[in-house]
Amino acid sequence: GDSVTQMEGPVTLSEEAFLTINCTYTATGYPSLFWYVQYPGEGLQLLLKATKADDKGSNKGFEATYRKETTSFHLEKGSVQVSDSAVYFCALSDNNAGNMLTFGGGTRLMVKP
Amino acid sequence: NAGVTQTPKFRVLKTGQSMTLLCAQDMNHEYMYWYRQDPGMGLRLIHYSVGEGTTAKGEVPDGYNVSRLKKQNFLLGLESAAPSQTSVYFCASSYYGDTEAFFGQGTRLTVV
Repeated sequence: GDSVTQMEGPVTLSEEAFLTINCTYTATGYPSLFWYVQYPGEGLQLLLKATKADDKGSNKGFEATYRKETTSFHLEKGSVQVSDSAVYFCALSDNNAGNMLTFGGGTRLMVKP
Repeated sequence: NAGVTQTPKFRVLKTGQSMTLLCAQDMNHEYMYWYRQDPGMGLRLIHYSVGEGTTAKGEVPDGYNVSRLKKQNFLLGLESAAPSQTSVYFCASSYYGDTEAFFGQGTRLTVV
């Protein structure tokens, strides 16, 4: 079945550092890919998405590129802020698997001032 | 704007008791989902629905039942609660599977 694998956290960075959170996926069809963010005590909210190969999703300084050849969708940000501290989830929706949304295990990011 | 509303927000159950979690969305979304979130396990899909009157099993459906009698509501039932069902439950909805999913605030359930 479909699956999403993320790097384990927590990831601890200093403010203004460069962020990369790795995400790879396995899917039988042609999935859409997402990054969701969860702030403490809240539900998840969409950060960015990409629906086909080579698409780049971007939002709030974060970006991720849909790489079909490496089945990856790594999240990057050039300069993190303390307010970016949260848990980040990579997810996919596969049209060959009923379009249900499948999540990775989540990566906790902690940014220190 | 209400978005996705879950009730209740907190609940403590004794082993063997039953309960129903309600999820309501006001965005006319076709798809609705129930997930559980456990420490170190991420979000795991319990059941989902692709439209009114339809339901399907997700990754961890055992011990849960669902119903989607009205398009705006998706109910999650626990017939006989077990301590292993202690978790935070999230409901989500989306127009279709490849569009943005909107999440509720979560229900923290403890089974003792």
